[in-house]
Formats: sequence, structure tokens, C-alpha cells
Amino acid sequence: DTAVSQTPKYLVTQMGNDKSIKCEQNLGHDTMYWYKQDSKKFLKIMFSYNNKELIINETVPNRFSPKSPDKAHLNLHINSLELGDSAVYFCASSQTSGRGNEQFFGPGTRLTVL
Amino acid sequence: GENVEQHPSTLSVQEGDSAVIKCTYSDSASNYFPWYKQELGKRPQLIIDIRSNVGEKKDQRIAVTLNKTAKHFSLHITETQPEDSAVYFCAARNSGAGSYQLTFGKGTKLSVIP
Repeated sequence: DTAVSQTPKYLVTQMGNDKSIKCEQNLGHDTMYWYKQDSKKFLKIMFSYNNKELIINETVPNRFSPKSPDKAHLNLHINSLELGDSAVYFCASSQTSGRGNEQFFGPGTRLTVL
Repeated sequence: GENVEQHPSTLSVQEGDSAVIKCTYSDSASNYFPWYKQELGKRPQLIIDIRSNVGEKKDQRIAVTLNKTAKHFSLHITETQPEDSAVYFCAARNSGAGSYQLTFGKGTKLSVIP
């Protein structure tokens, strides 16, 4: 069973469109994250979210918004897509209580904005 | 906030040789330091981690050392094999600050030459 899954795996769209990426984890973790990995492979945290709070990286444009219908899902909505949004987006999850804090990553979604 | 510097950005070694990747962090309160390996086209995966109450940790051919005074930690891979070729990321987190976010270094592309 896949621990953290994302859909779609690839997303090609035009500038100005609005798109969503879905993420689900079946590990029972209490915190989920979204990362952006650009062409230079830099991994940048965008959001972290648990049932208590949403932490937003201050550099993330407000065109990006996470939405969590329940603890197992954290979807990413992107409005008015720009060329610079092209990247691989990774979802991740972890259990913040206890000693095991490993973050498990999803397979990634490669977003290409034309 | 936390800042993590990672060096070198690229590293080539002959099969069987050792590889060392170094990271420094800025927040003296950081207490958790994981290392992730990302193979081409795949998701990052945790390979080893260390907490601030430990100076060294070993797992078969992989070891991590931590110098809290210098705010410096390193990944050591011995007897490298071609399958060790990947991008390696160090990260740091201050678990006590109420934040669950990891701050990643910019990655090291390791190439093991057969």
C-alpha cells in the first residue's frame, strides 16, 4: 500500500489557469506538508498543517492555498498559474508526537505551465 | 528562522571510496537532523537521522556525526556503490519551537563512478 499518494503525477496547463493537486496519507499521521522542488532540486517548504494550525512559508504567493477536508488529505490549489510555478510538488506527512518524526514523501507531481 | 548550508553541491567518487557531505545550521535550538536520499525521478527518502543528544549514529555503511558547538553535522558513506548515486539532502528542525517544519540544505549530487 502506498503510504503517501498524490494525483496527478503529471500536470500540464496554460498560464492563468487554476489547478489542484490532491494528496492522501494512510499512515495516521497528524501533520501534512507541501514542498516545491525547482529545476535546481532545491526543496522548499510551502505549508505545514495539522489539526491545530496552518503554517505558511512567508515566501509562498497567496495564489497557493492548501485545503484539508480531513486529517488524511491535504490538497493544494493554485490560482492564476504562472510560468515560474513549473516545478515538482511533493506532499509529505509525519507524526509529530512521540520520537518518530520521519517525514514520508509522496511520489511528486510534475507541474508544467506553458 | 533556520538556515541550513550544505556542501559540496556535487561530489564524484570512485566506487569503493568514501563520501562525506557537510552541513551547517544557524539555529542553536535545532535538535533533529535527518538526511534524505533522492534518486532520479523519485521521492526523497529518509536514510538516517540524529538528535541533538547524540554525537554520532551509524547504520551499516552510513554514519552521521553532529557537533552542536560548531552547529555542524556530516554524512559519511563508506565503500560507496553505484546505487549510492543520488541527491542527498540534510535538514534541521527545532522540535521545541512548536514548528514541525524541516529546513533543507540545497542538496549534494553524489556520483559513484564504477
